[in-house]
Amino acid sequence: GENVEQHPSTLSVQEGDSAVIKCTYSDSASNYFPWYKQELGKRPQLIIDIRSNVGEKKDQRIAVTLNKTAKHFSLHITETQPEDSAVYFCAAILLSGSARQLTFGSGTQLTVLP
Amino acid sequence: DGGITQSPKYLFRKEGQNVTLSCEQNLNHDAMYWYRQDPGQGLRLIYYSQIVNDFQKGDIAEGYSVSREKKESFPLTVTSAQKNPTAFYLCASSIDPGQSNEQFFGPGTRLTVL
Repeated sequence: GENVEQHPSTLSVQEGDSAVIKCTYSDSASNYFPWYKQELGKRPQLIIDIRSNVGEKKDQRIAVTLNKTAKHFSLHITETQPEDSAVYFCAAILLSGSARQLTFGSGTQLTVLP
Repeated sequence: DGGITQSPKYLFRKEGQNVTLSCEQNLNHDAMYWYRQDPGQGLRLIYYSQIVNDFQKGDIAEGYSVSREKKESFPLTVTSAQKNPTAFYLCASSIDPGQSNEQFFGPGTRLTVL
């Protein structure tokens, strides 16, 4: 099965700086990679995703890059703000048929210091 | 967000008891999922269901059972066979995979075994 590793487990940055979270996956057949944000005491919510036929995707201050050869993908947050503080999870999945088993990374606690 | 609900928010159980966690969605989503979240770990899939009256084991199904008698409902029973049930349980749902891959999460149930 798929295995997703996520680093770092904790990350502290100064407000306005950039934050980068990295994930690697094991199954080269995986073709969809979402990122979820979970604020304290709240449910995870999708913030951005990327398919394997795309190398990079941006949405305002967040971007995701994918390197299929190396089997890793990264979340980039620029101009960080205190409200970016949360746990971020990466995930990987093989979009095939009706199966939608996401395999999640272990999460990164991001703290943005004012 | 309000389209998928879980109850109760907090649940306490004595050892040896079975308990059932509720998950309801009014989003007309086909697929539903149960995840377990432990501190410092990512979300691990317990069971998932693509359609009514059908469900599949995830990565950590031992000690759990589910049913999918209605499209809107996917209750999870934590049985006495689950050796370490104290955790945060998240239910999720997703629309027809041909339309979207996003999973929408409920607010979660925190189960504590006394």
